[in-house]
Amino acid sequence: GAVVSQHPSRVICKSGTSVKIECRSLDFQATTMFWYRQFPKQSLMLMATSNEGSKATYEQGVEKDKFLINHASLTLSTLTVTSAHPEDSSFYICSARRTGMNTEAFFGQGTRLTVV
Amino acid sequence: AQSVTQLGSHVSVSEGALVLLRCNYSSSVPPYLFWYVQYPNQGLQLLLKYTTGATLVKGINGFEAEFKKSETSFHLTKPSAHMSDAAEYFCAVSEGRDDKIIFGKGTRLHILP
Repeated sequence: GAVVSQHPSRVICKSGTSVKIECRSLDFQATTMFWYRQFPKQSLMLMATSNEGSKATYEQGVEKDKFLINHASLTLSTLTVTSAHPEDSSFYICSARRTGMNTEAFFGQGTRLTVV
Repeated sequence: AQSVTQLGSHVSVSEGALVLLRCNYSSSVPPYLFWYVQYPNQGLQLLLKYTTGATLVKGINGFEAEFKKSETSFHLTKPSAHMSDAAEYFCAVSEGRDDKIIFGKGTRLHILP
């Protein structure tokens, strides 16, 4: 099956700093990747759709300037949490769909962000 | 816009008993439907999906789901629960091949010995 690698799996940062999370499709190309946020014991909330070579599409209520998304290649999308605050602490998960094929999305293992 | 409703945030069944997790969806076009499983502090694993064709879909680990258009449902079942099935289960819907996937709130399945 297709593999999506997310890095880092855990990160602790100080309030006010920025953190970058990488999402890579290891054995397939993904024109579109998705970034989700999951609060404890809750569902996945779609934050944005990342499109290779163009601007990301953000869901309503998600701050574009705080959650910077870059999809520079067909196998890599990054999410940068800028000027992080404790309320940004959460579990972030990316997913990717094969370009032009299949309908399922493959998920990364998630990143646990803790802002202290 | 599409949406998903999962009835029951927690479901408990005895080991060996039938598992039934309910999912209803809303979509303006024929939907693609998914069930994912999540273990603690991990990503999501696809159990099964419905796109077109046969409405009864079989997935991994003995799970299956039936797409019922008239009921806008996609309930997940397994004939005999195993302790290893204890996890969080998410039903999801998409309106197209490249469309975003929207998740339900999830159902935590507990298996009683």
